[in-house]
Amino acid sequence: QQQVKQSPQSLIVQKGGISIINCAYENTAFDYFPWYQQFPGKGPALLIAIRPDVSEKKEGRFTISFNKSAKQFSLHIMDSQPGDSATYFCAARGPLGDYKLSFGAGTTVTVRA
Amino acid sequence: GAGVSQSPSNKVTEKGKDVELRCDPISGHTALYWYRQSLGQGLEFLIYFQGNSAPDKSGLPSDRFSAERTGGSVSTLTIQRTQQEDSAVYLCASSQKAAIYNEQFFGPGTRLTVL
Repeated sequence: QQQVKQSPQSLIVQKGGISIINCAYENTAFDYFPWYQQFPGKGPALLIAIRPDVSEKKEGRFTISFNKSAKQFSLHIMDSQPGDSATYFCAARGPLGDYKLSFGAGTTVTVRA
Repeated sequence: GAGVSQSPSNKVTEKGKDVELRCDPISGHTALYWYRQSLGQGLEFLIYFQGNSAPDKSGLPSDRFSAERTGGSVSTLTIQRTQQEDSAVYLCASSQKAAIYNEQFFGPGTRLTVL
């Protein structure tokens, strides 16, 4: 039973376009929401993370939007570049004392030049 | 500095054999996690260790899976009597401690194929 549902499974975007990935969760005890980026043959690497007391966090071209009441969060990749082509995973952690991450199924993003 | 390392990078085995997968965490990291990544799926938590505390084994899928961590550093994940459904990439991660906001750093994984 997957605790974090992620969509779409894959997306293709033109260079310079916006990539949007959505995630939803049920467990209201989650209180840390990271996004990981994974390139083929590599382990996932933390991209950006948000806590539920914040509705938006931006780091460079990457933005997380968080809607606590809807139990949804999303990743926006602005001005997408070919180097952004990777698989992106949303995740959630909590409550306090429970340190394992629950991951979404992943979204494969392909940026066409 | 050196990141999390895992060995072997690839392992092919026959159904019914036992396998051992190794993880070397980042030096000084007291928390260590194992996850499994099956084709087209997200990462599935298996087990984590924090210092000298009892490990959280809640994600281990069956009693064929076990893990140990020696001296608070290197960890070995053992799968006994492997089955074809065990084929996956096994990822190890470490963090400074098992704190909720502490980043988990992942290794490159071991790709296990059970024939």
